[in-house]
Amino acid sequence: KQEVTQIPAALSVPEGENLVLNCSFTDSAIYNLQWFRQDPGKGLTSLLLIQSSQREQTSGRLNASLDKSSGRSTLYIAASQPGDSATYLCAVRGSSSYKLIFGSGTRLLVRP
Amino acid sequence: DGGITQSPKYLFRKEGQNVTLSCEQNLNHDAMYWYRQDPGQGLRLIYYSQIVNDFQKGDIAEGYSVSREKKESFPLTVTSAQKNPTAFYLCASSIVRGGNQPQHFGDGTRLSIL
Repeated sequence: KQEVTQIPAALSVPEGENLVLNCSFTDSAIYNLQWFRQDPGKGLTSLLLIQSSQREQTSGRLNASLDKSSGRSTLYIAASQPGDSATYLCAVRGSSSYKLIFGSGTRLLVRP
Repeated sequence: DGGITQSPKYLFRKEGQNVTLSCEQNLNHDAMYWYRQDPGQGLRLIYYSQIVNDFQKGDIAEGYSVSREKKESFPLTVTSAQKNPTAFYLCASSIVRGGNQPQHFGDGTRLSIL
């Protein structure tokens, strides 16, 4: 059974710092991996989707990498801003299902 | 503007009552999903539907029911059989064709017990 873990559960950094969020999964037979952002009391916003055949995806200050063999993905945020404060969730889709399995998220606070 | 609309934003349920959460999308997506989120946790799949008039149970379907009579709509009923319904409920949709398409989410409904 696929399990997704995100470490750390919470992170507080000063503005301007580069940071890395981690996501690990137990079954490497995935179709894709997605990173989402969730603001308090809101739904999820898709940030990046990495296909199983890809190693990384970039969007602006965000870069996500995928290492299927080791069951890991990282989300790199460059030059963090207070507006980046949110919960970041990763989710994997299995190779034989439309279901997404979510991690419990990393709550990020960027201090001005 | 294309998107997913969930209503109501807040909902209260009395003991023994069934309540229905609405989810409407105008993205022309084939697939729709219902998730439950408990505090400090990730999302868990309740039900999903890839096509009109068809749906499948997710990981925590007990105490819930759905229908998919129209492509745009996927309402979720929380029945009295769901003994711990207090949670944040999120609806999502996605394109089915092509496979590697992100899911798009609504802003959620927060359900509480009176």
